[in-house]
Amino acid sequence: DIQMTQSPSTLSAFVGDRVTITCRASQSISNWLAWYQQKPGKAPKLLIYKASSLESGVPSRFSGSGSGTEFTLTISSLQPDDFATYYCQQYNSYSRTFGQGTKLEIK
Amino acid sequence: EVQLLESGGDLVQPGGSLRLSCAASGFTFSSYAMSWVRQAPGKGLEWVSGISGSGATTYYADSVRGRFTISRDNSKNTLYLQMNSLRAEDTAVYFCTKESPYSHSCAYWGQGTLVTVSS
Repeated sequence: DIQMTQSPSTLSAFVGDRVTITCRASQSISNWLAWYQQKPGKAPKLLIYKASSLESGVPSRFSGSGSGTEFTLTISSLQPDDFATYYCQQYNSYSRTFGQGTKLEIK
Repeated sequence: EVQLLESGGDLVQPGGSLRLSCAASGFTFSSYAMSWVRQAPGKGLEWVSGISGSGATTYYADSVRGRFTISRDNSKNTLYLQMNSLRAEDTAVYFCTKESPYSHSCAYWGQGTLVTVSS
C-alpha cells in the first residue's frame, strides 16, 4: 500500500502568516492527491483536488502544488477560520490513503 | 442538494458484527463510486473501503480486509458496510463519502455514525 507522510504534525502560526504543509507519498501517485480541512466534531471539507485544483467555494488563499511523490498545501495569509487539522489523501486504482494530519494552531 | 445520512452505529462486543447504512439523495447514486472513511477518537482519518458505481468492484484497507464487506443497493440509493469480527481498534466514527469520478476526491461526506467496540 502507498503510505502518505505529512509534515509537520503540528504547526503554530499567527493570523496573516503564510504557511506550508508537505505531504510525501511512498511511491509516485502522479497528481492524484487531495487536501482536506477538518474542524473538531465535523466531517472533513475538500479544499484541493488533483494536487492543485481549488474546490469550488474554497478561498483563493489556499493553493496546492506538486506531483509524483512530493506535494504542498499553502495558505497565503492565515485567517482565524483556518485553524484546523489538514489531511492529504492519495488515490490509486485499488486504495486511498490519508496522511496522519497536520494540526494548525494559533500562536 | 447532495445528502448522505449514515446510520447503524452502536456499542458492540469484541468479535461481534454490525451493519452500517448510508442513505444517499440529491444525485444519481449508481453513477458514483462511494467510500467509507473512519476516525478513531482523537485520531486521524483512515480510508476503510470503496465500491464502484455498479458495485462490481470493491476495495479494502489491509486493516479490515476479510472482516468488512462493502456493498450497495442502487435501487434504494443506499451504501452498506457489513462489519464482522469487530475489534476494539475498530472503534471510530464512520463516514460515508461520495467520490468525484474526475478526481476521486471526496467533496461530500455524511455526518458520521459512531461504532464502539467494547465489552
